[in-house]
Amino acid sequence: GAGVSQTPSNKVTEKGKYVELRCDPISGHTALYWYRQSLGQGPEFLIYFQGTGAADDSGLPNDRFFAVRPEGSVSTLKIQRTERGDSAVYLCASSTERRGPYNYGYTFGSGTRLTVV
Amino acid sequence: GQQLNQSPQSMFIQEGEDVSMNCTSSSIFNTWLWYKQDPGEGPVLLIALYKAGELTSNGRLTAQFGITRKDSFLNISASIPSDVGIYFCAGLGNQGGKLIFGQGTELSVKP
Repeated sequence: GAGVSQTPSNKVTEKGKYVELRCDPISGHTALYWYRQSLGQGPEFLIYFQGTGAADDSGLPNDRFFAVRPEGSVSTLKIQRTERGDSAVYLCASSTERRGPYNYGYTFGSGTRLTVV
Repeated sequence: GQQLNQSPQSMFIQEGEDVSMNCTSSSIFNTWLWYKQDPGEGPVLLIALYKAGELTSNGRLTAQFGITRKDSFLNISASIPSDVGIYFCAGLGNQGGKLIFGQGTELSVKP
């Protein structure tokens, strides 16, 4: 597609439930990133994929968070046993360059707003 | 998590005025970026700076990469109503594509 697509755009879930958030990157972009943005804050890095492998997952807050990118394109961010503190906008971005947003190649999606009640 | 120190947090200005915001860090970055975010959207890249001391313009926007590589500023000249939004600085180090973002500057423009 023309841009980074994230689904769903909004997700409301009950505390303790499992959720999956999907990201479709720009076709041909090899790098994919997940960020989390809390209200009134800048995005915070979660995980970065180069191809199918997680090159850096140092931003995942705990083992309830997991992300996959099995075929090197679509990625799914999975959150188990959701807590109210997980409520945030989860942003995905993709890039043509291995080391990041050179040449304006780092494009964000519109995000998934997750609300845990 | 780690964030850059961005100031001011918010600005209320009259249309036509110039705006300046800046970002500082205790760490060195190899690339500084400035993004704008509208409600319900992801950040959109405005300007990218790749070399210390670099001064780059994009229309009414001008940004500089500090000599120490620990700071950057963004200027917007002759503001217009569509400049309203939240502006973020972001730094890219040596760790792949991981960006560190500032807390944002919310800009309001009165017509």
